Amino acid sequence: GQNIDQPTEMTATEGAIVQINCTYQTSGFNGLFWYQQHAGEAPTFLSYNVLDGLEEKGRFSSFLSRSKGYSYLLLKELQMKDSASYLCAVRPNTGFQKLVFGTGTRLLVSP
Amino acid sequence: KAGVTQTPRYLIKTRGQQVTLSCSPISGHRSVSWYQQTPGQGLQFLFEYFSETQRNKGNFPGRFSGRQFSNSRSEMNVSTLELGDSALYLCASSLEGRLYSEQYFGPGTRLTVT
Repeated sequence: GQNIDQPTEMTATEGAIVQINCTYQTSGFNGLFWYQQHAGEAPTFLSYNVLDGLEEKGRFSSFLSRSKGYSYLLLKELQMKDSASYLCAVRPNTGFQKLVFGTGTRLLVSP
Repeated sequence: KAGVTQTPRYLIKTRGQQVTLSCSPISGHRSVSWYQQTPGQGLQFLFEYFSETQRNKGNFPGRFSGRQFSNSRSEMNVSTLELGDSALYLCASSLEGRLYSEQYFGPGTRLTVT
């Protein structure tokens, strides 16, 4: 099975950098995904990592260490609109398109 | 290209009734997955359909079922509704043929069981 842990809530200031951690335990692995979900809206895809290392996409970066079962999402130059929940999800290697989600980290960005 | 659409957006049902939710994937996407989202449990996988076949199922009771049509549209059905079935039901579609393809989510159907 899979077990995914992320902090429940984080706060940060506009313009700052924040790192959201995700640890996972899985018997098989086909990639780790990050999604953003604003209150009352659908999750939207941010990034995925298959191999170890850092993937950068504008203000967002995601890192993966498969040997440690660890990932993080780095958000730079925070904006008020970044206040949302950030969901870490693992795709098990037996699950086709199935994703197993953590419970999400609610990020509050203040002025 | 239009996104994933789900109908209805909101639904109120009584315990013991049944409900059918509909999902239309992005054009060209043949894989459709369903998730249940609740404040306590987060997003939990219900099932996945591809080419009208269920190829993966989560740990939900048999009251939860689904199907997919030849045009890739999907429906899920919940029979004998319980209060605990109140949740946001999300449908997601993805492009088959790419192992690391992302899923695109619809806006969801908010189901309230009273």
